[in-house]
Amino acid sequence: DAKTTQPPSMDCAEGRAANLPCNHSTISGNEYVYWYRQIHSQGPQYIIHGLKNNETNEMASLIITEDRKSSTLILPHATLRDTAVYYCIVSRQAGTALIFGKGTTLSVSS
Amino acid sequence: GAVVSQHPSRVICKSGTSVKIECRSLDFQATTMFWYRQFPKQSLMLMATSNEGSKATYEQGVEKDKFLINHASLTLSTLTVTSAHPEDSSFYICSASGTGTNEKLFFGSGTQLSVL
Repeated sequence: DAKTTQPPSMDCAEGRAANLPCNHSTISGNEYVYWYRQIHSQGPQYIIHGLKNNETNEMASLIITEDRKSSTLILPHATLRDTAVYYCIVSRQAGTALIFGKGTTLSVSS
Repeated sequence: GAVVSQHPSRVICKSGTSVKIECRSLDFQATTMFWYRQFPKQSLMLMATSNEGSKATYEQGVEKDKFLINHASLTLSTLTVTSAHPEDSSFYICSASGTGTNEKLFFGSGTQLSVL
């Protein structure tokens, strides 16, 4: 699976949009981009995933560049409860294990 | 979304004893389950992959005789840490995918194991 690169940490003010970048320049054509987050001492929580097109759900939006070499997770109105480690993972298909990198620690403050 | 239940959430045991952790898929059939381990301030590390009715596949460096994995049904997988030692103290997390999970993995809430 392709490797991803994320900034180690980011800060965001409560109520503002949080834009978390991820580079995956070696992504293959059949690999999806997944985003999960982990709040302290809990299991990872699925946020969103996509292949080529931008995606939006009730939690976030995922913007994938046209060449698919990078993506951005957008939390439109960050709250204190969004403070967590966010993982961007590239994986071939459903049913395969996700390999976690170090992720981005997002700190949302009031 | 699909729900994965993991039990217990926390366990403290004496060195040399064995501990069993259960992972259940509550509303879908988990054809594949994965077990991860996470040390403080580190990322999740994949330990093993188990398919229902088959022997688990372990990642390099993970002792299969120490971490026994059973996936006897489509809704239950267990991880048994045998003869636990203090260095086995960690946060253990299971995840599952299967019918109806739509290309996603769902994770349990984790088990914090402390070996005294």
